[in-house]
Amino acid sequence: SQQGEEDPQALSIQEGENATMNCSYKTSINNLQWYRQNSGRGLVHLILIRSNEREKHSGRLRVTLDTSKKSSSLLITASRAADTASYFCATDQGGSEKLVFGKGTKLTVNP
Amino acid sequence: DAGITQSPRHKVTETGTPVTLRCHQTENHRYMYWYRQDPGHGLRLIHYSYGVKDTDKGEVSDGYSVSRSKTEDFLLTLESATSSQTSVYFCAILGPGRNTEAFFGQGTRLTVV
Repeated sequence: SQQGEEDPQALSIQEGENATMNCSYKTSINNLQWYRQNSGRGLVHLILIRSNEREKHSGRLRVTLDTSKKSSSLLITASRAADTASYFCATDQGGSEKLVFGKGTKLTVNP
Repeated sequence: DAGITQSPRHKVTETGTPVTLRCHQTENHRYMYWYRQDPGHGLRLIHYSYGVKDTDKGEVSDGYSVSRSKTEDFLLTLESATSSQTSVYFCAILGPGRNTEAFFGQGTRLTVV
């Protein structure tokens, strides 16, 4: 089964609002990553958080990691129409290089 | 952009025929991956490689084989294509070190009729 499971599956918001997506995973990890995919394109890396980190920021992105709950969240602040995409979390199972993705959250930001 | 290319980008093939997809990288990265993406399933790992001639199965490896005879090339073969293997296939490479990002190819859309 897939390691990461994102929630919600779909999210629709207005421009300027914040978007929060969650990811749960099953095994121990060395790091957790978030990726973005525009329709029909390859995935692009957004941010990586290590297992010993609890929070990380990159521009309008904020990622949190709770290893005790095996969960992570991605917050996009002040969203823009250009943020419309699917977002995936990925983990290395048991700290290996077996990189496993979840099913993703489809975000729609309405102008 | 990381140097990773997939070929072909689109392919239509008939049920029962063999198909090989190629992933080529110019980054000299050790780890390479093949995923398939289907609606409602996200990305599912098919096979991955951790070095020349070193490969391992992912979560949906049945019906697929891989080979890596050179660092730069990772081939995915469908020995006898079935309609259930109609999908978009993505190749990825993982940068050096333990905490690095993956880079993705543009994908191959495969249709089995």
